[in-house]
Amino acid sequence: QKEVEQDPGPLSVPEGAIVSLNCTYSNSAFQYFMWYRQYSRKGPELLMYTYSSGNKEDGRFTAQVDKSSKYISLFIRDSQPSDSATYLCAMRGTGNQFYFGTGTSLTVIP
Amino acid sequence: AAGVIQSPRHLIKEKRETATLKCYPIPRHDTVYWYQQGPGQDPQFLISFYEKMQSDKGSIPDRFSAQQFSDYHSELNMSSLELGDSALYFCASSLLRVNTEAFFGQGTRLTVV
Repeated sequence: QKEVEQDPGPLSVPEGAIVSLNCTYSNSAFQYFMWYRQYSRKGPELLMYTYSSGNKEDGRFTAQVDKSSKYISLFIRDSQPSDSATYLCAMRGTGNQFYFGTGTSLTVIP
Repeated sequence: AAGVIQSPRHLIKEKRETATLKCYPIPRHDTVYWYQQGPGQDPQFLISFYEKMQSDKGSIPDRFSAQQFSDYHSELNMSSLELGDSALYFCASSLLRVNTEAFFGQGTRLTVV
């Protein structure tokens, strides 16, 4: 079993929709959680970074962490065609290694 | 703001050749990570360095080695290349002593023919 599970999709939504992306994990030591956006053949771009449980909002993006359920989410409001990309969740405990989900491919249709 | 710089961006090598990938972390970052990403796959952790010392090791083949230099740049050396080594190789850096997030470079696309 992978440390981090993420539905690979693909996910296709109309422009303006609210998108919900999710990851589950098994290691209770994880305490740093990140969401990356990756366009084809480009490096992952950091979108959100949260520590421990709670919500964090940045523009159209909201990240949620529920450590009790070992579940994290990224919400994208008013989705745009430019949001079409692969979204990767990543997390870290106290060690020097980030564990990634497999990524969810998102397409926002104009 | 300065980002993680990787070079070269693209590299084509033949089987059994050697390749060296370079990574220049964000200034003052103390940790460098190397990841390998195959087509349609998530990044797989290879190795990391904290303050120029190897800190964690993942699924890095014995044919690969890496080091971090006094100026904090890092190099990934890959020998006896195989077709299966063709992938995107990413370097990331973070400021671990204050537990910040990791920022990735644009990657080196290695093609082994």
